[in-house]
Amino acid sequence: EDQVTQSPEALRLQEGESSSLNCSYTVSGLRGLFWYRQDPGKGPEFLFTLYSAGEEKEKERLKATLTKKESFLHITAPKPEDSATYLCAVLGGATNKLIFGTGTLLAVQP
Amino acid sequence: NAGVTQTPKFRVLKTGQSMTLLCAQDMNHEYMYWYRQDPGMGLRLIHYSVGEGTTAKGEVPDGYNVSRLKKQNFLLGLESAAPSQTSVYFCASSYSGLEQFFGPGTRLTVL
Repeated sequence: EDQVTQSPEALRLQEGESSSLNCSYTVSGLRGLFWYRQDPGKGPEFLFTLYSAGEEKEKERLKATLTKKESFLHITAPKPEDSATYLCAVLGGATNKLIFGTGTLLAVQP
Repeated sequence: NAGVTQTPKFRVLKTGQSMTLLCAQDMNHEYMYWYRQDPGMGLRLIHYSVGEGTTAKGEVPDGYNVSRLKKQNFLLGLESAAPSQTSVYFCASSYSGLEQFFGPGTRLTVL
């Protein structure tokens, strides 16, 4: 059964304090791993797609990496506006169904 | 482009009442999806569609029905609402079935 586990559940950082969020997954035939950002009361906002182990994507202070078992979302020198819940999801095999993790709630304090 | 829009934004129902949630997208996407999001459980797929006139069951389809009569619209119906259906509902669309783009959500409370 396809499964996604995100850790930690919550993370509090000081502004400028770099860190990483983890997404561990089990899936039959990975077609894509997706990162989303979700602000309170809003829908998830698409950030990145990773397709194969070794791939990396960057956007501003965020960098996503992928191995055969997990993905990391690295946040470099975060700012308070980076505070949000970050969701990871996988699409596997012949399914059309994204499987989501429960997210990491990130709070960046000034 | 408005992207993905959802109507209504909020709704309160009594047990046994029915309602329809409307999702519209102006990106000419083939794929559309309905999710529910509950605390501690993440996003779960209710139903989805791979094109106009098609629908398929997701992870938690019981108590819901859907229709995709037009490519740009995807309707989610609750025939007899139950308190367990209190949730935030999100619609999403996708061009290729990979990246999905989400609407702003509908917060539904069933009393």
